[in-house]
Amino acid sequence: EAGVTQFPSHSVIEKGQTVTLRCDPISGHDNLYWYRRVMGKEIKFLLHFVKESKQDESGMPNNRFLAERTGGTYSTLKVQPAELEDSGVYFCASSQAFGGGELFFGEGSRLTVL
Amino acid sequence: EDQVTQSPEALRLQEGESSSLNCSYTVSGLRGLFWYRQDPGKGPEFLFTLYSAGEEKEKERLKATLTKKESFLHITAPKPEDSATYLCAVRGGADGLTFGKGTHLIIQP
Repeated sequence: EAGVTQFPSHSVIEKGQTVTLRCDPISGHDNLYWYRRVMGKEIKFLLHFVKESKQDESGMPNNRFLAERTGGTYSTLKVQPAELEDSGVYFCASSQAFGGGELFFGEGSRLTVL
Repeated sequence: EDQVTQSPEALRLQEGESSSLNCSYTVSGLRGLFWYRQDPGKGPEFLFTLYSAGEEKEKERLKATLTKKESFLHITAPKPEDSATYLCAVRGGADGLTFGKGTHLIIQP
């Protein structure tokens, strides 16, 4: 069974440009999460989808970040325009049931904003 | 605001030398404490979930315990393949997990 896949694995962009990160969760997992790790800091929650609906987006840093989940399958996270402080590793995770804590994480998308 | 503090930040052990990692937490309404393992360049990999004080879970050389203020991850007779960063996280009021910074564990042969 395929795990959570993320694309791209690494993206380098200039400040002010736009980047879109994609996450394909494990098939059948209704719950999809985005997290971010900025260098030297802990992994932080961004938002949670249940199917195509945003259940909790309390961790989204500002309105330059837009997350979507088309048809309850894959999800995209767009950063527009990117700022230097957006650099970090963006992780996607999915789970079948909510509450169990057994999240399956992807390998992450490393974003570098110059 | 939920908070998780892990100690030590880094730990170097000899193969076979048992030790414990600490995770202290403050959370309003604990809905689970979680341990993950993360290898370089990979995403976190789930190990355990604990829900109430006194609960223990075991998996191979790892055992996780929980009190009302902290959790311990005990590593018994570790092997080099146990080298990784171990992450502790809690779920409180929000849907997402609040992570600590992790303990970077190195097991020397």
